[in-house]
Amino acid sequence: QQKVQQSPESLTVSEGAMASLNCTFSDRSSDNFRWYRQHSGKGLEVLVSIFSDGEKEEGSFTAHLNRASLHVFLHIREPQPSDSALYLCAVSVSGGSNAKLTFGKGTKLSVKS
Amino acid sequence: DTTVKQNPRYKLARVGKPVNLICSQTMNHDTMYWYQKKPNQAPKLLLFYYDKILNREADTFEKFQSSRPNNSFCSLYIGSAGLEYSAMYLCASSRRLGGSAETLYFGSGTRLTVL
Repeated sequence: QQKVQQSPESLTVSEGAMASLNCTFSDRSSDNFRWYRQHSGKGLEVLVSIFSDGEKEEGSFTAHLNRASLHVFLHIREPQPSDSALYLCAVSVSGGSNAKLTFGKGTKLSVKS
Repeated sequence: DTTVKQNPRYKLARVGKPVNLICSQTMNHDTMYWYQKKPNQAPKLLLFYYDKILNREADTFEKFQSSRPNNSFCSLYIGSAGLEYSAMYLCASSRRLGGSAETLYFGSGTRLTVL
């Protein structure tokens, strides 16, 4: 069964400083990786999706995937206080009848001005 | 428009009473999902509809029901709420089954509090 773990549990950064979040997964056949964000009391917003090793950039968000090491990272460039939220990593295996995204517990990011 | 709408935003229920949550999407997506999220826990898939076919997770099979009267609407039904059902319930939809490189679009959630 897929296990997804995120670190750190919480992270505080100053406005404009790079924020880096880590996600590890256990199923080596995983090939769909997404980062979501949840502001307090709101739904989940997809930030970036990545399907192959390397980097994928969407605005100020860059996902970095290294499947050999079972890691996917999210880097947030020049975060603003409005980026303070819970960041969730979601992993799945494409194809077949597996419709399940497996989520991590999230990293709570606080951006101080 | 990638909007998934959920009603109500907040729901208060009494122990032992039924609860019905509503979700709608206008993207003509084939698949609709319900997740449960509790503080400091990962979102947990409860069930999903692929077209008219309902799939419920084995560990929540007895606790949750759902209906999808048409492509746009999906409900989540709890027959008898317990304190452990207090959580945020998130509805999502995708064009096909979510594992096939399809993005899930989430609603804003319904926060259920059971007293």
